[in-house]
Amino acid sequence: EPEVTQTPSHQVTQMGQEVILRCVPISNHLYFYWYRQILGQKVEFLVSFYNNEISEKSEIFDDQFSVERPDGSNFTLKIRSTKLEDSAMYFCASRSWTSGRNEQFFGPGTRLTVL
Amino acid sequence: AQTVTQSQPEMSVQEAETVTLSCTYDTSESDYYLFWYKQPPSRQMILVIRQEAYKQQNATENRFSVNFQKAAKSFSLKISDSQLGDAAMYFCAYTSGGSQGNLIFGKGTKLSVKP
Repeated sequence: EPEVTQTPSHQVTQMGQEVILRCVPISNHLYFYWYRQILGQKVEFLVSFYNNEISEKSEIFDDQFSVERPDGSNFTLKIRSTKLEDSAMYFCASRSWTSGRNEQFFGPGTRLTVL
Repeated sequence: AQTVTQSQPEMSVQEAETVTLSCTYDTSESDYYLFWYKQPPSRQMILVIRQEAYKQQNATENRFSVNFQKAAKSFSLKISDSQLGDAAMYFCAYTSGGSQGNLIFGKGTKLSVKP
């Protein structure tokens, strides 16, 4: 069964450093998403991406965040200058065009720790 | 703005018994979808069940069923014959039919299953 994959599973970085989180969505999916979950809190939407551009973004997704689909398979989230409060689990999800039920398939997540 | 509320931070059930998790939501839209996601300790997000707002019939997936009360904006999850593997965080989520599909999550309910 096709699945969304994410790398790395755990990333530790120093405050102020740039990080890139990688995702490989399911191959025939056209909508891509990033969510984050601070430990013990709810899952929050960051950004959605369709047709090679951002379609929606939340207040959390400020100028330090960017997304890219560099090669038609990977979908990346870059955090330019990490802060302590960026420590969270980051989930990638994808959805097909034909998924009229709006079902999103989630990856296993990347745990980001900012020291 | 749409909101999702889960009023039970924690619930407990005896193995083989039935438990109901509550969820209410607020929206002015008529076209939307509702979901329950399970998040075990691995933190993977697993879709449990979905409900389309235009369907009057309550969704059912094996031991999992929902009680969808559209007028009351209520969407509860019933787990029958609870198993030890059902222990997890359960998140209720909403998405608008007209949006790019980004999910709005509740804060979650932590379900414990006692042997």
